Amino acid sequence: GAVVSQHPSRVICKSGTSVKIECRSLDFQATTMFWYRQFPKKSLMLMATSNEGSKATYEQGVEKDKFLINHASLTLSTLTVTSAHPEDSSFYICSAEAEGQIQPQHFGDGTRLSIL
Amino acid sequence: GEDVEQSLFLSVREGDSSVINCTYTDSSSTYLYWYKQEPGAGLQLLTYIFSNMDMKQDQRLTVLLNKKDKHLSLRIADTQTGDSAIYFCAESTGNTPLVFGKGTRLSVIA
Repeated sequence: GAVVSQHPSRVICKSGTSVKIECRSLDFQATTMFWYRQFPKKSLMLMATSNEGSKATYEQGVEKDKFLINHASLTLSTLTVTSAHPEDSSFYICSAEAEGQIQPQHFGDGTRLSIL
Repeated sequence: GEDVEQSLFLSVREGDSSVINCTYTDSSSTYLYWYKQEPGAGLQLLTYIFSNMDMKQDQRLTVLLNKKDKHLSLRIADTQTGDSAIYFCAESTGNTPLVFGKGTRLSVIA
């Protein structure tokens, strides 16, 4: 089946650092990629939707300058958490979608971000 | 906006059947999904059902859809300890982001 690879799986860094998370579709072209954030024991919160070659669409309340999303190719999207602070610590999950598929989104395994 | 509701916890004994319930509000939902999330991992698609179907069975998993009541259920037969996880119900109209429920934490007691 379709595979989405997300790296790194875990990051621990100091406050003020910028962290980049990559999401790759390994065997299909992802016209759309989604970035989610999951708080402990909570559901997934959609942060933004990105289409290849265009600006990401952010959900209400998500700071676009804080969470930079780049979808430069049909197989790669990146999320950069800029000047991260402890409140940005969370589990970030990406998913990718190709047009015409029954299952609309294939999920990565997530990135656990811990800001000290 | 659209909303998906699930009970938060379910505890069953190994070997029993588990039934996880979900209700949704969007009457135009076309696809309904069940995802499984194990600790520290992403989401794994378990099964899905189209809105024009009433039931779908896949090995130990049975999905029932009551479109009139906007109610979806997932039955896991012969529940095993490896089934312990969080199960998310999600719906989509096919051209919108998935809307997820808050997840049901299934605990299987040996």
